[in-house]
Amino acid sequence: DIQMTQSPSSLSASVGDRVTITCRASQSISSYLNWYQQRPGKAPKLLIYAASSLQSGVPSRFSGSGSGTDFTLTISSLQPEDFATYYCQQSFTTPHFGGGTKVEIK
Amino acid sequence: EVQLVESGGGLVQPGRSLRLSCAASGFTFGDNAMHWVRQAPGKGLEWVSGISWNSGSRDYADSVKGRFTISRDNAKNSLYLQMNSLRPEDTALYYCAKDIIPLMTTVTTGREYDAFDIWGQGTMVTVS
Repeated sequence: DIQMTQSPSSLSASVGDRVTITCRASQSISSYLNWYQQRPGKAPKLLIYAASSLQSGVPSRFSGSGSGTDFTLTISSLQPEDFATYYCQQSFTTPHFGGGTKVEIK
Repeated sequence: EVQLVESGGGLVQPGRSLRLSCAASGFTFGDNAMHWVRQAPGKGLEWVSGISWNSGSRDYADSVKGRFTISRDNAKNSLYLQMNSLRPEDTALYYCAKDIIPLMTTVTTGREYDAFDIWGQGTMVTVS
């Protein structure tokens, strides 16, 4: 199985900050990497697929990059509604999620 | 409106069985792979099982292999998860999710799974 490791597991940031979350795969997954946002009490929401493609309706302040084993999700200017938990997921083989990164208000 | 609605959760004793259902609407259900994803209280997301558009492929997480069975009925726009020999560690909110991968991509490349673009609100399963 391909393991996905996210870092950090949590972070504190202020509105307007630039935030970067990292996801590392235990072996190369090409660009088969997706990112989700989950707000408390809500179902996950797809943000980015294929490492860097923005899902329809997702604000452009979200972006993804990377290939192979190292990937990043960047929020260019954090908004109040962005405080949530973010998960990466590989789809190179049977799906597997990372452990999540909780973004909290500083 | 594209929608997934799960049902069938509840409180069950260890060792017993439960069958979850997911009703789909607003899209061509038979064109898409589907998945079950669970989330234990206060924990992260865990992919449980996936099934290809025509039921030709069914895959499971190691944690449920041999105990859970995924199935679908394209005529009824429905996805199912039969859960047998339930354990306390199966306690979680179970989500149904639609795969984004186009049918043509699956047919031409053989790839069956990708990202999950539509999620239900989940059904809670408590094993105790």
